[in-house]
Amino acid sequence: QKEVEQDPGPLSVPEGAIVSLNCTYSNSAFQYFMWYRQYSRKGPELLMYTYSSGNKEDGRFTAQVDKSSKYISLFIRDSQPSDSATYLCAQGNYGGSQGNLIFGKGTKLSVKP
Amino acid sequence: DGGITQSPKYLFRKEGQNVTLSCEQNLNHDAMYWYRQDPGQGLRLIYYSQIVNDFQKGDIAEGYSVSREKKESFPLTVTSAQKNPTAFYLCASSPTGKETQYFGPGTRLLVL
Repeated sequence: QKEVEQDPGPLSVPEGAIVSLNCTYSNSAFQYFMWYRQYSRKGPELLMYTYSSGNKEDGRFTAQVDKSSKYISLFIRDSQPSDSATYLCAQGNYGGSQGNLIFGKGTKLSVKP
Repeated sequence: DGGITQSPKYLFRKEGQNVTLSCEQNLNHDAMYWYRQDPGQGLRLIYYSQIVNDFQKGDIAEGYSVSREKKESFPLTVTSAQKNPTAFYLCASSPTGKETQYFGPGTRLLVL
C-alpha cells in the first residue's frame, strides 16, 4: 500500500503565528520527502526536500522527518499572508519507478492579516 | 529563463473531441510527467517518460495518450474516451537521479 495522508484543513491562523503542517506515510521504502506550495490555479512549487530523519531549515521554513513514526512536518515561523496557499507533502523512491512521487491531498492554509 | 511551460492556460473541449495539451521544458531534464488534479483528490499520475521515445502508464492512463519525440517536449492528448476530462492538468520534469520534480503552471481543461 502506498499512501500519504494529510489533513485537508482548511487551517486559518493570524499573521505571525507558527504553523505546523503534517503528513503520515505508510511505505517505508520511499526514503525521500518533499513539501510543495501551491497557490490557487498555479502549479506546485518545491519548498523543501529532505532525505534523513531530523530537521532541515530554510529561512522561515523547517521540514522535519520522523521515520520511526512515519511522520513528516513542515513548520512555518512568523507566518505571512503571502504564505496562504495549499501545501502538499510528497514521498519519493529512488530506483525502480525513479522519480515517481506519492502526494498527499494537500492542506489549505490561510494566514489572516 | 529556465523552466517548464504549458499551453494553453485554459482549454475547452467539445463532446467527442480529442485535445492536446502542450508541455515544454528547457531545464535539460530527462524525465517528464503528467498529472491530473481534481478538488479534494490530490495529484494523480497519468503518464511519465524517463527518456526520449519511451513512456509508461501511470495510475489513471485510460483515455489519455502521450508522445516523447524530443527531450524538451511531452504533449498529452485527452481523447474522446476520457469521459470526465474536466480537471487541472500539470506537467512536471525531473533531472536524472533526482527525486524532486518541478512543475509547470498547469492547463485547466473544461468541457463545453
